[in-house]
Amino acid sequence: AQSVTQLGSHVSVSEGALVLLRCNYSSSVPPYLFWYVQYPNQGLQLLLKYTTGATLVKGINGFEAEFKKSETSFHLTKPSAHMSDAAEYFCAVSGSGSARQLTFGSGTQLTVLP
Amino acid sequence: EAGVAQSPRYKIIEKRQSVAFWCNPISGHATLYWYQQILGQGPKLLIQFQNNGVVDDSQLPKDRFSAERLKGVDSTLKIQPAKLEDSAVYLCASNQGASGNTIYFGEGSWLTVV
Repeated sequence: AQSVTQLGSHVSVSEGALVLLRCNYSSSVPPYLFWYVQYPNQGLQLLLKYTTGATLVKGINGFEAEFKKSETSFHLTKPSAHMSDAAEYFCAVSGSGSARQLTFGSGTQLTVLP
Repeated sequence: EAGVAQSPRYKIIEKRQSVAFWCNPISGHATLYWYQQILGQGPKLLIQFQNNGVVDDSQLPKDRFSAERLKGVDSTLKIQPAKLEDSAVYLCASNQGASGNTIYFGEGSWLTVV
């Protein structure tokens, strides 16, 4: 069984400030971890993913995340927020088997203040 | 490369009516998913197909929801009769299968039941 907890349903940051969105997971098998972004009235777009290898992964739009097995965390960061980053962000976990399914967290709405 | 195509994008129906959503996955993707995303929540898996076979439909409300992928390519999700609580975004997604670890999403079909 797998689950994801995203701490903070709403996060506000000022433009240019650090973005930190928190994600903790639970998985009975080695996890694959994902961050997706959803803009209003659109589908989900993959930001980045961790499967195996390097625990610090870089994604699109300047985002990165670090897989910390000991903390069961996969927090998303961006050094400097831009107005265009305002969106909803979802953390998700899947197993590494062939019947790959995503289990999502409840999402974090990011607001960027001018 | 074309993405996951879904139609219609928006649908408003009255309760007890029926509705059908269509999805065409990325070419060559063996695995197809339907997710339900209720406003303010993360997507929840309804059904997963591998080619034209069902891998997991444990969370599909089978008394009113049905889905098929007869030729292992495109898929249809049907709701009959609809309830108010079915108002949600229905997201179709696809994956290469055993060798693919990224799941790609369509833009979604937005359903409002009144």
